[in-house]
Amino acid sequence: QVQLVQSGAEVEKPGASVKVSCKASGYTFTGYYVHWVRQAPGQGLEWMGWVNPNSGGTSYAQKFQGRVTMTRDTSISTAYIELTRLRSDDTAVYYCARESNSWYYFDYWGQGTLVTVSS
Amino acid sequence: QTVVTQEPSFSVSPGGTVTLTCGLNSGSVSTSYYPSWYQQTPGQAPRTLICGTNTRSSGVPDRFSGSILGNKAALTITGAQADDESDYYCALYMGSGIVFGGGTKLTVL
Repeated sequence: QVQLVQSGAEVEKPGASVKVSCKASGYTFTGYYVHWVRQAPGQGLEWMGWVNPNSGGTSYAQKFQGRVTMTRDTSISTAYIELTRLRSDDTAVYYCARESNSWYYFDYWGQGTLVTVSS
Repeated sequence: QTVVTQEPSFSVSPGGTVTLTCGLNSGSVSTSYYPSWYQQTPGQAPRTLICGTNTRSSGVPDRFSGSILGNKAALTITGAQADDESDYYCALYMGSGIVFGGGTKLTVL
């Protein structure tokens, strides 16, 4: 069965960087885009961007351009998101999600990773 | 800037029918935006309900249906149950990426 398993919670100081992983199983990793979506406490879902596991190509939401990098390691079927220059308002649960091959929607989600930014 | 609008909250009685909507601050939502809908309960990852405007995801009960109503995408729950009490998010494909609505908190009482 398809699974996306994310790395554990992180606590970082303002100005630092964080890298979250998303390990895929149960399907051909290079066949589906992986997106990252975050949710601040008590807030809604916010799309951050995607990585194409096949080519390594990426697309980021304008809000995160220059601070976010999405990568992948096909040898271990894992996608990554790195966010730099962290601020307190980056405190959120970060989800990876697989994009279906049709209709531009997310058919599977990771369990989420809480990133807390606090001095 | 594209803003996807949803009702902040809605209430429905058990067994009742409710329609949640998903609009744009400028323009109309059409099937070209491939509207999708997600259900989320506290502490859980979102669950996919509807894709491509009106196709139910695997395992989703048929009391959930999607459509275009006027100039908005819509999610209708027919015969609401207590465990439908959740947050509901729509998402639209904008070409350059995905934009989520702010979500609707549905209360069943």
